[in-house]
Amino acid sequence: KQEVTQIPAALSVPEGENLVLNCSFTDSAIYNLQWFRQDPGKGLTSLLLIQSSQREQTSGRLNASLDKSSGRSTLYIAASQPGDSATYLCAVRWNYGQNFVFGPGTRLSVLP
Amino acid sequence: GAVVSQHPSRVICKSGTSVKIECRSLDFQATTMFWYRQFPKQSLMLMATSNEGSKATYEQGVEKDKFLINHASLTLSTLTVTSAHPEDSSFYICSARKQGARPYGYTFGSGTRLTVV
Repeated sequence: KQEVTQIPAALSVPEGENLVLNCSFTDSAIYNLQWFRQDPGKGLTSLLLIQSSQREQTSGRLNASLDKSSGRSTLYIAASQPGDSATYLCAVRWNYGQNFVFGPGTRLSVLP
Repeated sequence: GAVVSQHPSRVICKSGTSVKIECRSLDFQATTMFWYRQFPKQSLMLMATSNEGSKATYEQGVEKDKFLINHASLTLSTLTVTSAHPEDSSFYICSARKQGARPYGYTFGSGTRLTVV
């Protein structure tokens, strides 16, 4: 069964800290993996997309890594800011499907 | 770019009425669109996959007679929640696949917050 899990469920950090969000998935036969941000009551903002052949992607203060063999991805946020407060979702698309399977998300609070 | 517009963003309706949500791809053609829903404090779950010109494929546990999906053109898919009940209150979001795009061809709408009172 295709499953995506995320740890921790919630995280609260002071401004300026570097932090890591974790995503795990069953079955390494993935097509790609995507990290999203969701603000309360809002839609999804795509942050980073990693293809199955890639090991990491970077955008500004964000870096996402992918280890297919262990079924893991991490999202690293450097120098966190209060504006980073949101729920971060990891979503996986497997080779044999078209849709994304979402993890439950990590709710991040960055305190000023 | 690839923009997906979803309307309405919020809707409140009375129990027993029907609500239509639209998902439009503004600058590309979408052969496939996906409808997800998210209950409070839960993750997004796929409801159905709609393909232009054919019937939608529903995930297990999703009532096809209650959640009517129409994908009559390459730029528009609609989800109609029929005879809505309070338990249908949720966040609904669509995703469109850009025809011919490789490898990244999925764009998400901004979502619709449905509240049934």
